[in-house]
Amino acid sequence: QKEVEQNSGPLSVPEGAIASLNCTYSDRGSQSFFWYRQYSGKSPELIMFIYSNGDKEDGRFTAQLNKASQYVSLLIRDSQPSDSATYLCAVNFSGYSTLTFGKGTMLLVSP
Amino acid sequence: EAGVAQSPRYKIIEKRQSVAFWCNPISGHATLYWYQQILGQGPKLLIQFQNNGVVDDSQLPKDRFSAERLKGVDSTLKIQPAKLEDSAVYLCASSLGKTGEYFGPGTRLTVT
Repeated sequence: QKEVEQNSGPLSVPEGAIASLNCTYSDRGSQSFFWYRQYSGKSPELIMFIYSNGDKEDGRFTAQLNKASQYVSLLIRDSQPSDSATYLCAVNFSGYSTLTFGKGTMLLVSP
Repeated sequence: EAGVAQSPRYKIIEKRQSVAFWCNPISGHATLYWYQQILGQGPKLLIQFQNNGVVDDSQLPKDRFSAERLKGVDSTLKIQPAKLEDSAVYLCASSLGKTGEYFGPGTRLTVT
């Protein structure tokens, strides 16, 4: 059973704070993990991907992966109102070439 | 580099009618995907092509949905006949390797 779980939110943070978005998945053997941002009425946009345990940083974004706990997170530092969107976690489950998406977490950054 | 192109952007049809969507992937991307996204949900894969061959169509409702990618570049997705529950955004995506999929703008379908 391929399952990707995300809290639907909304997650509300003030401008300048760190936003932490979490995702759990059902298969410990999964290899690759992706975070997408989706503005209302728009299509998903790839933010970053992570394959190895630990942290991966790209600008204000940090992805964190813990395969033993089947947990991946996205941290957004210095959150801006323009970061307000739905963040989708996607997992490439072992044995599959496709991605399975979670339902997404809505982030609201207030000025 | 041009992104994934899709048309039309919006379509309104009555139930039992047919509809077709077109997608042109990013140049050089061998893998093409069609997703259905219902409001409040994540994208759900309908079909994956590698060049002009189908890799995964396990979630495609084959009694009413069909898709093709005859020359390994652009692709069409058809629904015939449409049902009310087909109202959704249909997203096309393409990828090169395993570094993520890139989505087109989508087609918003309303079935009345």
